[in-house]
Amino acid sequence: EVQLLESGGGLVQPGGSLRLSCTSSGFTFTNYAMIWVRQAPGKGLEWVSTIGGGGTPTHYADSVKGRFTISRDNSKNTLYLQMSSLRAEDTAVYYCAKYRLGGPPPRDFDYWGQGTLVTVSS
Amino acid sequence: DIQMTQSPSSVSASVGDTVTITCRASQDISSWLAWYQQKPGKAPKLLIYAASSLQSGVPSRFSGSGSGTEFTLTISSLQPEDFATYYCQQGNSFFLTFGGGTKVEIK
Repeated sequence: EVQLLESGGGLVQPGGSLRLSCTSSGFTFTNYAMIWVRQAPGKGLEWVSTIGGGGTPTHYADSVKGRFTISRDNSKNTLYLQMSSLRAEDTAVYYCAKYRLGGPPPRDFDYWGQGTLVTVSS
Repeated sequence: DIQMTQSPSSVSASVGDTVTITCRASQDISSWLAWYQQKPGKAPKLLIYAASSLQSGVPSRFSGSGSGTEFTLTISSLQPEDFATYYCQQGNSFFLTFGGGTKVEIK
C-alpha cells in the first residue's frame, strides 16, 4: 500500500526557516517524480515545487523561488522542502504527492499525504 | 505560466442530479488535464487523468472530456458522498497550475 506522510510543520516567525519531510512507502520511490502543493486556509490548491526521481530536474513556483529548496534522499525514501525567509502568505497546509506514472514531466498525482500545517506568524 | 479558469465557483445540486464543471486553459494543453476531488480536512483525490481517463477505483458516474483549452468534468447521478470541492490541474508543463475550484453543495 502506497503511503506518504508529511512532517515538520509548525509555527514559525516571519523570516524564519522550516524543513518539511515526506516519508514514503509502498512503491519504488526513486522511480517517481514528486511535488509539493500547498493550500492556504480556506483557499485553493497551489503548486509549490517539483523534483524528478533522481533529484533533477527541479522547478519552483515564482512565489517561492529563491526561498524554498526541494530535495530528496532516495536511500531514505524521503522528500524534503527546505523553506526559508518565510512570510505570512506562506501559511498553508503543505501536501506532498506522487506522480502517477514515473519520470518527469509529472502530469497528474495519484497519491497524496495527509498534509502538514505551516503557520508563519509573530 | 498557464492559467486555469474553472466555472462555476460553486453549484447547488440535489442527489441524483447531473453536474457539469468547466475548466479552461489559457493556452493549448493537449489532453494533459487532471481532475481532483477534495473534502474538508482531507487531501485531494485523483478522479480523472489525461482529460478523460478514469482513475482506478473511481465510480463510473465521474467522466471527463475535452482537449486543447476547454475541458469538462461531469458527475452523473450525484451521490451524497460527491458533495465536495473539485479542482482541475494542467500537466502540460513543468510549471503546474490548478483551477480555482468548484464547490458542489447540497441544494
